[in-house]
Amino acid sequence: GQNIDQPTEMTATEGAIVQINCTYQTSGFNGLFWYQQHAGEAPTFLSYNVLDGLEEKGRFSSFLSRSKGYSYLLLKELQMKDSASYLCAVRTDYKLSFGAGTTVTVRA
Amino acid sequence: GAGVSQTPSNKVTEKGKYVELRCDPISGHTALYWYRQSLGQGPEFLIYFQGTGAADDSGLPNDRFFAVRPEGSVSTLKIQRTERGDSAVYLCASSLGDFSYEQYFGPGTRLTVT
Repeated sequence: GQNIDQPTEMTATEGAIVQINCTYQTSGFNGLFWYQQHAGEAPTFLSYNVLDGLEEKGRFSSFLSRSKGYSYLLLKELQMKDSASYLCAVRTDYKLSFGAGTTVTVRA
Repeated sequence: GAGVSQTPSNKVTEKGKYVELRCDPISGHTALYWYRQSLGQGPEFLIYFQGTGAADDSGLPNDRFFAVRPEGSVSTLKIQRTERGDSAVYLCASSLGDFSYEQYFGPGTRLTVT
């Protein structure tokens, strides 16, 4: 089976930085994904890591350590529109196994 | 271009009824996936199509659930004898193929079984 853990909720102030951790134990690994999901909307792709290290994409960065089964998503210069659920997902073959999501609330 | 579309956006049905949920993937995407998302949870894999065939249906919870993709484009998820526990958002996603990592999600169909 697949086990993917991430915190349930996080709160941060506008302009600050937030780091969302994700640990996983899966049978197989073919990449780790982060998706953003606003309430009532579809998940949208943020980042993809398949090799160890940091991937930077504007205000968002994602890190992966395959040996530790660990990833994090770093959100910098938080904006109010970043308030959403952030989903960590592991790809095994072709399908994605998701964590329950971390709800990030950005306060003014 | 157009993204993944799903119809209906909302469906309310009575326990025991039959429902069909439709997904139109992005044009040219050969891979199509169905997921189910319950409140406060991440999406849960149901079934994967590569072209017209179901390559993996291991996530379908029981034999009341069935999905087809007869022409390799539009897919329909069919649920027989619906139960209240089937209430969830059903998400469809598509990707270019097995080796394309990014899955594009549709807006989902919210199914409520009363």
